[in-house]
Amino acid sequence: KAGVTQTPRYLIKTRGQQVTLSCSPISGHRSVSWYQQTPGQGLQFLFEYFSETQRNKGNFPGRFSGRQFSNSRSEMNVSTLELGDSALYLCASSWRQFPGNEQFFGPGTRLTVL
Amino acid sequence: AQKVTQAQTEISVVEKEDVTLDCVYETRDTTYYLFWYKQPPSGELVFLIRRNSFDEQNEISGRYSWNFQKSTSSFNFTITASQVVDSAVYFCALSEANTDKLIFGTGTRLQVFP
Repeated sequence: KAGVTQTPRYLIKTRGQQVTLSCSPISGHRSVSWYQQTPGQGLQFLFEYFSETQRNKGNFPGRFSGRQFSNSRSEMNVSTLELGDSALYLCASSWRQFPGNEQFFGPGTRLTVL
Repeated sequence: AQKVTQAQTEISVVEKEDVTLDCVYETRDTTYYLFWYKQPPSGELVFLIRRNSFDEQNEISGRYSWNFQKSTSSFNFTITASQVVDSAVYFCALSEANTDKLIFGTGTRLQVFP
C-alpha cells in the first residue's frame, strides 16, 4: 500500500509570492492533517480535514488556507509569503473511523522563502 | 490547555546502552491519546505507538518499551540495547477525543555512537 505522498518535495519562493502544496493520503484514509515544522517553533498543527470539511484549525494567520477534495487529497496554500514561512510542511492521514487513530506522515515539503 | 513536555533536548549514548526518553503531558480531558513518533534524518515522522487514556498497561515491542503512568502524567519510552540506527529525533504527542490534532513535544534528539 502506498504511503502518504507530498508534492513538491522542495520549493524555493520569494517573499510576497504564494505557494500551493499537495498531499495524497493513504488509500482509504479520509482524514488529512497538516503541520508546520521549524527549528524555533517545533511541530505545529495547521489544519485537519475530514470528508472535505475543515474540522480543526491551528493558530496561524489567514494567509494559510487549505482544502480537501472528494478523493481525500488535500492542498494547502500560503499567500504573501514571509521569510518566517520557511519550514518543513508535513501532511498526515488517518482512517478517522475511531478517535485517536494513528496518523501516518508523508515525507514533507521543504519550503524556503528568500 | 494541552501541553507535552520533553525536558531532554539531546541524549548521547554508546551502542548497547539502555536509554529512556521522558514525556510529561497536560490535559483536562479524561479521554485522550498519547503517541510516540520517530523522525530520522530523512525527515519523515514514523509512528511508533499509541496509547489511550484508559489503558495504562505498559507495552514492550522488541527493544522498545513504554511506561504510561496517569498518576504522574507521564508516558516514557525506553530503548534497550540501543543501536546506531536508533539515532533520530523522538517526539511524544497528545490528541484529545474527536480530533486528530496532535500536540507535539519539542522532541528529544538521540545520538547513538558505535
